Amino acid sequence: DAGVIQSPRHEVTEMGQEVTLRCKPISGHNSLFWYRQTMMRGLELLIYFNNNVPIDDSGMPEDRFSAKMPNASFSTLKIQPSEPRDSAVYFCASTRAGAPVDTQYFGPGTRLTVL
Amino acid sequence: GQQVMQIPQYQHVQEGEDFTTYCNSSTTLSNIQWYKQRPGGHPVFLIQLVKSGEVKKQKRLTFQFGEAKKNSSLHITATQTTDVGTYFCAGPGGGFKTIFGAGTRLFVKA
Repeated sequence: DAGVIQSPRHEVTEMGQEVTLRCKPISGHNSLFWYRQTMMRGLELLIYFNNNVPIDDSGMPEDRFSAKMPNASFSTLKIQPSEPRDSAVYFCASTRAGAPVDTQYFGPGTRLTVL
Repeated sequence: GQQVMQIPQYQHVQEGEDFTTYCNSSTTLSNIQWYKQRPGGHPVFLIQLVKSGEVKKQKRLTFQFGEAKKNSSLHITATQTTDVGTYFCAGPGGGFKTIFGAGTRLFVKA
């Protein structure tokens, strides 16, 4: 069974451009999480969805960041406009239905560089 | 808010030496999870501890959950170069959230 799929794996863009990161969770998983990882701030939770509904977006840095989950098998994280300080590795993770806290399965991540 | 503190931040060891990372929570945890992230990779689930005082082993790795369920440790016996990476502890953060510690990055010198 395929794990969490993220695309693109690497993205290099210029400041001011729009960036869209994509995630396909594991089939049957009903919670999806977006994380950002940097050396300075570690692993930060940006937003998470349960049954396609955004539950907590308190980690989203600012209005330039938005996330959607139009169906159970797809989610996007968009940054518009992008800034150099957004450079980081962005991970998507999913968990299966069941207990409130369960094993998180991470995707390979998208390494974003904003010049 | 709830925090999960992890020490040390970095650890350099000679291959064959033991390694331990510690995790402390400001509140009692219903469970704690441990993840490993290889350099350039993504966090991968290792284990979950649920019971007070629980000890679990995976080959050379020993995981402990404190009696008060507020602290945990991961001990690696006789480290190998394949153990290199960052080890994270994580606990429930309310709702469906998981709170990750800052991680301990392990360097192993052959």
